[in-house]
Amino acid sequence: EPEVTQTPSHQVTQMGQEVILRCVPISNHLYFYWYRQILGQKVEFLVSFYNNEISEKSEIFDDQFSVERPDGSNFTLKIRSTKLEDSAMYFCASSQDRGATNEKLFFGSGTQLSVL
Amino acid sequence: DQQVKQNSPSLSVQEGRISILNCDYTNSMFDYFLWYKKYPAEGPTFLISISSIKDKNEDGRFTVFLNKSAKHLSLHIVPSQPGDSAVYFCAASAWGAQKLVFGQGTRLTINP
Repeated sequence: EPEVTQTPSHQVTQMGQEVILRCVPISNHLYFYWYRQILGQKVEFLVSFYNNEISEKSEIFDDQFSVERPDGSNFTLKIRSTKLEDSAMYFCASSQDRGATNEKLFFGSGTQLSVL
Repeated sequence: DQQVKQNSPSLSVQEGRISILNCDYTNSMFDYFLWYKKYPAEGPTFLISISSIKDKNEDGRFTVFLNKSAKHLSLHIVPSQPGDSAVYFCAASAWGAQKLVFGQGTRLTINP
């Protein structure tokens, strides 16, 4: 079964450093997402991406965050200057159709980001 | 943000019995609801969904019920199996929106 692949599975960084989290969505999917889950809290939506642009973002997704699809297969989340509160599990997801209502999302296994 | 709430952080059920997981929502704009299952060190995996035009959707051992007037949905698993032990997330979306709003999750443990 096709799957969403995320690398690395764990990332440790110093506060203020830049990190890039990488994802390879399912190949025929067109819509891409990042969610995160802070330990003990809900899974939260960060951003959705379609046709090489952001289609929706949450208030969490401020200027410190950016997303990119640098080639035909990768989808990345960059945090420019990490803060302690950015420590979380970051999930990439993809879907074939528009929005969560039309097609279920496929999630990757996540990248555990620890900011020290 | 308490738009989707799962009030039971954990639930323990005997193997073979019915597991009932509950979810409440507050946003009247939500019209599509999903249940995801999550094992440790894995991402959430889709389980079952229901549109607001229905009040029940069934898929094998899993049934989701939606009570729109009460803004409540529930997931029934029968019979429960040890492999069902996982965290279950309720999620909701509004028509046209791209994001899912998740509940806090319920950890289900099936005891042999």
